[in-house]
Amino acid sequence: GAVVSQHPSWVICKSGTSVKIECRSLDFQATTMFWYRQFPKQSLMLMATSNEGSKATYEQGVEKDKFLINHASLTLSTLTVTSAHPEDSSFYICSATTGATYNSPLHFGNGTRLTVT
Amino acid sequence: GNSVTQMEGPVTLSEEAFLTINCTYTATGYPSLFWYVQYPGEGLQLLLKATKADDKGSNKGFEATYRKETTSFHLEKGSVQVSDSAVYFCALGYDRGSTLGRLYFGRGTQLTVWP
Repeated sequence: GAVVSQHPSWVICKSGTSVKIECRSLDFQATTMFWYRQFPKQSLMLMATSNEGSKATYEQGVEKDKFLINHASLTLSTLTVTSAHPEDSSFYICSATTGATYNSPLHFGNGTRLTVT
Repeated sequence: GNSVTQMEGPVTLSEEAFLTINCTYTATGYPSLFWYVQYPGEGLQLLLKATKADDKGSNKGFEATYRKETTSFHLEKGSVQVSDSAVYFCALGYDRGSTLGRLYFGRGTQLTVWP
C-alpha cells in the first residue's frame, strides 16, 4: 500500500534553533499534503494544507513565518520550525493524498516528536 | 464551527469484551465521518467511514453509525482482541469549499486489550 515516510521520528533541539521535518510519499505522487500537530491529550490540529508547487494555506492562528512549509515536488513536503521555543514542543504529523477531495485516501506518516529545551 | 469530541481514555478491556468509544461532533454543514486507528509505531490508518446520515461504516469487526439526530458516530466492536490495542481517532471532513480535504480530529482514545 501507499507509504508516507516522515523523518525524523523524534528530535531534540535547543531554544532558538530551527528544525526541519520531512514528509515523503514513497510510492505515489502526493498532490496535497497536510501538516498536523498534537499536544498531549488534545486533538490533532490541522496546521496547514500544502499543494505541490504553490504556497501553503495556513489555518487561522498558525504563524506562517514560524512554520515554514515547502512542497517543491510531488513526493516531498517539509515543515521547518524556525527559532523554536519550548512551547513548540509537540507531536507533528503529515498526511498525503493523490486526490482532490477528502474521499481520496489519506496516508499518514508516523509523526515526529519535537522537544525544544 | 466544526469540532469532534471523543471519550477520554485510556480504555482497558479484556479480550472478547465489548467495546464502545463515544464520538460526538459539531458541524456547520453535512460532513462525512471517519474513524482512524494508529497502531504502535505506525501512522494513522482509515478504519471506517460514513458519508451521510444513517450510514453505517464497518471494517475488521468494527462498526459506527452516522446519527445526525444525536450528532454521534460511536465506534463499537463486539469482541475485541489484543491486536486491537491502538489509539482511535474520530474525525469529520467535507468535500467542498475551503475545507476541501481537511479533517477535524478528536483527541484520540487509547485502547489496551489484555489477554
